Amino acid sequence: AQTVTQSQPEMSVQEAETVTLSCTYDTSESDYYLFWYKQPPSRQMILVIRQEAYKQQNATENRFSVNFQKAAKSFSLKISDSQLGDAAMYFCAYRSSKSSGDKLTFGTGTRLAVRP
Amino acid sequence: DGGITQSPKYLFRKEGQNVTLSCEQNLNHDAMYWYRQDPGQGLRLIYYSQIVNDFQKGDIAEGYSVSREKKESFPLTVTSAQKNPTAFYLCASSLDRSAINEQFFGPGTRLTVL
Repeated sequence: AQTVTQSQPEMSVQEAETVTLSCTYDTSESDYYLFWYKQPPSRQMILVIRQEAYKQQNATENRFSVNFQKAAKSFSLKISDSQLGDAAMYFCAYRSSKSSGDKLTFGTGTRLAVRP
Repeated sequence: DGGITQSPKYLFRKEGQNVTLSCEQNLNHDAMYWYRQDPGQGLRLIYYSQIVNDFQKGDIAEGYSVSREKKESFPLTVTSAQKNPTAFYLCASSLDRSAINEQFFGPGTRLTVL
């Protein structure tokens, strides 16, 4: 079974600075997808960024980028120029590309605080 | 506006009662999912459905039941057999079961057992 580990329960960053959230996962599969979701105080889950395992290039979405290290099974999220609205819980998630890959397996989350 | 709606936002239940959480989507998505969120545990899959009149158990299906009679609706019933039902419940949908497709989430329902 796949597992996703987020070892940082809480992180803090100064507004306009850069912060990196860590995520590691365990799988025996070679083809899969990785996601970072944001959950603000409203508790609505919002997709931040997605990475296909077969792609070597790291995904980027505006101020959000990932460092995907497939061999190390690491998938960290970098937030540049942090803004107050970035304060939220961030969840790393894994999804298999196999026919049984219907579910997302989530980590336990990292709570990000942004200091003004 | 296309999206997923969940109702009610807050729900209170007495022990021993069944309760049904509503999830509706107007995105024309085939696949729908129910997740449970507990503090410090992330989200866990309860049930999912790939198509109308078909659904499969997720990792923590015991004490829950679902139906999928219409494409746009996927209600979740929390039965009295669920030993610890107090949690935040999230419904999601995706275009189909393909892993590449994003799962869109509803706003959630907070269930509290009194």
